[in-house]
Amino acid sequence: AQSVTQLGSHVSVSEGALVLLRCNYSSSVPPYLFWYVQYPNQGLQLLLKYTSAATLVKGINGFEAEFKKSETSFHLTKPSAHMSDAAEYFCAVSEGGSQGNLIFGKGTKLSVKP
Amino acid sequence: DTGVSQDPRHKITKRGQNVTFRCDPISEHNRLYWYRQTLGQGPEFLTYFQNEAQLEKSRLLSDRFSAERPKGSFSTLEIQRTEQGDSAMYLCASSLFSSGNGYEQFFGPGTRLTVL
Repeated sequence: AQSVTQLGSHVSVSEGALVLLRCNYSSSVPPYLFWYVQYPNQGLQLLLKYTSAATLVKGINGFEAEFKKSETSFHLTKPSAHMSDAAEYFCAVSEGGSQGNLIFGKGTKLSVKP
Repeated sequence: DTGVSQDPRHKITKRGQNVTFRCDPISEHNRLYWYRQTLGQGPEFLTYFQNEAQLEKSRLLSDRFSAERPKGSFSTLEIQRTEQGDSAMYLCASSLFSSGNGYEQFFGPGTRLTVL
């Protein structure tokens, strides 16, 4: 069965510091992996996705993630945090096939200090 | 450009009442998904449609829940005899399903349900 584990329910960084949000997945087949961001009282916006092409994926707003099969990880990074990055971030996995529904982690809330 | 829209955005109801939510997907998207998100948790899959056919339902979708997608366009999610445990954000997502597109799903703003 698929699952996603996000380490750290809350991460706090200073403005300009590196952002690192951790995601580990479990999947019996090569997965599709996604990072979504959610601002308060809003839906989810796709940041980036991995679909078995390049292992380093670049997304919107300066975020990127690296797929590491040996570590079953898909950590999200950004070199320099902005105040506007404060939000909740969700990692999700899909095994593809004919269904395509997403399995989400519990989320990591990112706070950015001035 | 219109994304996924959901109506209403907020719904407050009394326990035991029925509620219905609507989702309008991105035009020409053939797949439509419903998720439920409770406080402090990630979204959990409820059900999905390909065109008008409901292809899978999660065990989270009790008999009090029913979803439809007539004509393969908008979808409705009805909850009968609401319970306090139904209080959550109900998210709709749509996608244009094809092999190799990564199953990217576009989410609506959600309907927040509060059951008193």
